[in-house]
Amino acid sequence: AQKVTQAQTEISVVEKEDVTLDCVYETRDTTYYLFWYKQPPSGELVFLIRRNSFDEQNEISGRYSWNFQKSTSSFNFTITASQVVDSAVYFCALSGGNTGNQFYFGTGTSLTVIP
Amino acid sequence: KAGVTQTPRYLIKTRGQQVTLSCSPISGHRSVSWYQQTPGQGLQFLFEYFSETQRNKGNFPGRFSGRQFSNSRSEMNVSTLELGDSALYLCASSLTIIQTDYGYTFGSGTRLTVV
Repeated sequence: AQKVTQAQTEISVVEKEDVTLDCVYETRDTTYYLFWYKQPPSGELVFLIRRNSFDEQNEISGRYSWNFQKSTSSFNFTITASQVVDSAVYFCALSGGNTGNQFYFGTGTSLTVIP
Repeated sequence: KAGVTQTPRYLIKTRGQQVTLSCSPISGHRSVSWYQQTPGQGLQFLFEYFSETQRNKGNFPGRFSGRQFSNSRSEMNVSTLELGDSALYLCASSLTIIQTDYGYTFGSGTRLTVV
């Protein structure tokens, strides 16, 4: 069965601190995709990154970076020098493989950046 | 270009009534998926449509149904509303049913409240 676990329910950091959001996934498929989405108070899910199961390269995009480790089934997300605008709920999701395109979302991590 | 448009943004219905929600995908996108988001269950997949055909369905009762039109616009219908149907309903569109480098684009959702 597909499952995504985000153990951190809520995190608060002071502006300019670095913060890492954890994501652990379970799947029996060899081909799958992992995503991170951001949900601001307005409600829409904003796409941040997609990774396929064959691409374990870590990625950096501005203040965002992602660490994908198949050995530990983890896909962690780090925000460096956090800003108040980063305050949102962040979702990790798993998709693809034999179950089709539907997303299996984690329960989300609510990040609050305190000015 | 315009994003995914969901109407209405907010809706209040009475138990036992039915409701229809609308989703207009990004121009050119042919795949539309629906998700239900509640505080208790998180984000759960409802169904996915591609070229007017339902390709995948989540684990929801038959009261939840949907359809897609030839212009790729999609509607979902919930009949005999229950209090537990109160949720944010999110629609997502994608160019095809094959995962792309940009995943799915989500709309801002329709907030349904059942009283």
